[in-house]
Amino acid sequence: EDQVTQSPEALRLQEGESSSLNCSYTVSGLRGLFWYRQDPGKGPEFLFTLYSAGEEKEKERLKATLTKKESFLHITAPKPEDSATYLCAVHNAGNMLTFGGGTRLMVKP
Amino acid sequence: SAVISQKPSRDICQRGTSLTIQCQVDSQVTMMFWYRQQPGQSLTLIATANQGSEATYESGFVIDKFPISRPNLTFSTLTVSNMSPEDSSIYLCSVRTGGTDTQYFGPGTRLTVL
Repeated sequence: EDQVTQSPEALRLQEGESSSLNCSYTVSGLRGLFWYRQDPGKGPEFLFTLYSAGEEKEKERLKATLTKKESFLHITAPKPEDSATYLCAVHNAGNMLTFGGGTRLMVKP
Repeated sequence: SAVISQKPSRDICQRGTSLTIQCQVDSQVTMMFWYRQQPGQSLTLIATANQGSEATYESGFVIDKFPISRPNLTFSTLTVSNMSPEDSSIYLCSVRTGGTDTQYFGPGTRLTVL
């Protein structure tokens, strides 16, 4: 059974204080690892897909990386508008998507 | 990408009643899914909505409680039947596009059952 564990569960940062969110996974045949951002009361917003170890993708202040066992979402110089829950999910060879529990990020001005 | 809309965006319902949630996509998609997100929790897959055939339900979810229709490649409905307060959740429609296998989500329907 696929498993996705995200840490920390919650993270408080000061504006401008860079940090990383972790997503550890075990999966039967990785087809892709997804990162989403979710604001309260809204649906998840797609951020990145990573397909193989060593791959990196960037979007504004966010950078996602992938190894064979985990993925990191690096946030550089965050702003209050980056506050949200960040979800990680793995897509397996059986075409199923498994989500982690998410990391609630709060960035204070 | 895919643009997904859901109706209603939120509703407050009485115990024992049913609610049908609609999901509309701006393009034809093969794979369409319904998820539930209980307060403070991550996403749980309810079922895969198959066009032209019955939906495929995950363990713990049954057709009598969550009947699904998928009349064409751009539309689906999920009904939450005989509701109880435990059904209070956000219900999310999701689609997977071909090629990159990226999965997109609708804005969600926030359901409160009193």
